[in-house]
Amino acid sequence: DGGITQSPKYLFRKEGQNVTLSCEQNLNHDAMYWYRQDPGQGLRLIYYSQIVNDFQKGDIAEGYSVSREKKESFPLTVTSAQKNPTAFYLCASTVTGGNEQFFGPGTRLTVL
Amino acid sequence: SQKIEQNSEALNIQEGKTATLTCNYTNYSPAYLQWYRQDPGRGPVFLLLIRENEKEKRKERLKVTFDTTLKQSLFHITASQPADSATYLCALVPYTGGFKTIFGAGTRLFVKA
Repeated sequence: DGGITQSPKYLFRKEGQNVTLSCEQNLNHDAMYWYRQDPGQGLRLIYYSQIVNDFQKGDIAEGYSVSREKKESFPLTVTSAQKNPTAFYLCASTVTGGNEQFFGPGTRLTVL
Repeated sequence: SQKIEQNSEALNIQEGKTATLTCNYTNYSPAYLQWYRQDPGRGPVFLLLIRENEKEKRKERLKVTFDTTLKQSLFHITASQPADSATYLCALVPYTGGFKTIFGAGTRLFVKA
C-alpha cells in the first residue's frame, strides 16, 4: 500500500533537547511538507520541499530544520531554539503541481 | 489582513439530516478550495476540490459550493450518519501562493443517532 508514514506517534522531550521527527512516503511524490497543528488554529506551514536537495521556509520555520536527501524522506528537526514546540506535527506530500495533499498520521510532540 | 475562517463552534445534528459547514475567506484570491476530513489524533484526508470557475461539486453524499462574490464555500453532507462525525477543514490555494495551501482551523461535526 502506498502512503506516508510518520514516526514516532508520540514523542516526549526535555527542554533544551533537539528531536527529529521522521516522515517517509512511497507515493513517488516530488513535493513534501511539514505542518504544525495547535488547538483552535489552522495547520501552519513549517517547511516544504519541491525536489530532492532543495527546501524552502514556510510561515513558522524559526527553531526548525529539515533535510531532503532522498525523494522518499523529509525529516524535521525541532531544535532547542523553538520556544513552544509542544504540538501535533503533520507531514504531507503532493505530486508536483498536484492539488490534493496526502497526510501522514502525525506525531504528537510534548516538551516536559 | 488575510484570513480563512470556519465556525469554531461544533455543529450537532441528528442522523439523516443535512450538515452544512461554512468557510469564509478575506483578502485572498483562491485558485481553488479544498475540503478535508480529520479524525481525532489522525492526519487530514482529502475529500473534494472546487475551482474558482466552478459553482458546485458533488461526490456521493458530499456537495461543495464556491461563491467568489461572497468569498465563501459551503460544504454539505446529506443523509448524515454518525460515522460522519469528525472535524472538517477548509483549505485554499491562492493564485499567488505558489505551493502554499492555507488551512482553516476546522469545524467539528457531531452526528447523533
